Amino acid sequence: AQSVTQPDIHITVSEGASLELRCNYSYGATPYLFWYVQSPGQGLQLLLKYFSGDTLVQGIKGFEAEFKRSQSSFNLRKPSVHWSDAAEYFCAVGTGANNLFFGTGTRLTVIP
Amino acid sequence: DSGVTQTPKHLITATGQRVTLRCSPRSGDLSVYWYQQSLDQGLQFLIQYYNGEERAKGNILERFSAQQFPDLHSELNLSSLELGDSALYFCASSVAVANEQFFGPGTRLTVL
Repeated sequence: AQSVTQPDIHITVSEGASLELRCNYSYGATPYLFWYVQSPGQGLQLLLKYFSGDTLVQGIKGFEAEFKRSQSSFNLRKPSVHWSDAAEYFCAVGTGANNLFFGTGTRLTVIP
Repeated sequence: DSGVTQTPKHLITATGQRVTLRCSPRSGDLSVYWYQQSLDQGLQFLIQYYNGEERAKGNILERFSAQQFPDLHSELNLSSLELGDSALYFCASSVAVANEQFFGPGTRLTVL
């Protein structure tokens, strides 16, 4: 069965610091992997996706993620966080039918 | 703006009632997905339609049903509402199966 684990419920970083949000997945086949961001009261916005090919994927807003098959991970990174990045971040795995299974999310707080 | 529209934005109703949530996918997208986001269950996939036909089912209750019309808009019907049905309901669309999904702003349902 598919599952996604985001071990960090809440992360606080200082503005300008680097960021890494962890995501581990469980899926029997080659996964489709996604990171979405949700600002308060908003819908989910796609940050980036991995379908195949280069394991380092670039997304919007300066985010990137690296797919590591051996570790079943798809961690999200950003070299320098901005106050506007404060939001909730969701990792998701897509099945062959592309139903998305989401992790429980990581809430990011950015302090000045 | 993802291009996916959902109406209404907010809905307040009483237990035992029935409501209909509406979703219009992005222009050209054939696949529509419904998700429920609640504090205790997180983001859960409910059901998927592709070009008018049901494609996949997730954790959708028997009291809930959906359909996709010839113009590709979709409706999610929730009946015999219970307090626990209070949640954010998201619609997402994609061009086809196994593509990234674009989410609407959601409908917040409150059952009193």
